[in-house]
Amino acid sequence: DAMVIQNPRYQVTQFGKPVTLSCSQTLNHNVMYWYQQKSSQAPKLLFHYYDKDFNNEADTPDNFQSRRPNTSFCFLDIRSPGLGDAAMYLCATSRDMTSYEQYFGPGTRLTVT
Amino acid sequence: AQTVTQSQPEMSVQEAETVTLSCTYDTSESDYYLFWYKQPPSRQMILVIRQEAYKQQNATENRFSVNFQKAAKSFSLKISDSQLGDAAMYFCAYRSAGGGNKLTFGTGTQLKVEL
Repeated sequence: DAMVIQNPRYQVTQFGKPVTLSCSQTLNHNVMYWYQQKSSQAPKLLFHYYDKDFNNEADTPDNFQSRRPNTSFCFLDIRSPGLGDAAMYLCATSRDMTSYEQYFGPGTRLTVT
Repeated sequence: AQTVTQSQPEMSVQEAETVTLSCTYDTSESDYYLFWYKQPPSRQMILVIRQEAYKQQNATENRFSVNFQKAAKSFSLKISDSQLGDAAMYFCAYRSAGGGNKLTFGTGTQLKVEL
């Protein structure tokens, strides 16, 4: 009964080699979020989609992009990963922008070598 | 900008005992929401409890309750009758009431439950 699924759970990429992380949801929620969680730090919102509308946080690096081809799927693309991009990436959903609760996936841990 | 501070990186509690996790926040807004999320090892983060700032009554969910002190900008989580399954990272989070659904998280408190 998984609701927010992230694949893969662990991803290793090389410095500068583009990488894509995947998130899917079975909740039919309108909003999907991507958070970056570095070791011992708070999860930090990168961007979110409200339906097809993309909303980037002001301090999200240009290196990070996202795609949402349909309601169920959302992708995080890192164009040229640096060592500083190694982190846990969390996907979350909410029914709409006024919903109290966000539903999180288990995360993808990205290692950059 | 809002900030959330969790000053206890780690806490321990004996099974069946009570533990309180601390959280303070800074905001200039008068209407907002506060949350505690639980992140078990290798599992997804789940919502434990939420508090609306306009409500004076502290929220309670079974063994979980909060002590919300709006003037002091304090929002602690009390876990009663602690169980082994409560072991997890706990995040305090803030959300503005108006516009958007952005969560601002604290750095988390790792809770260990001992037999």
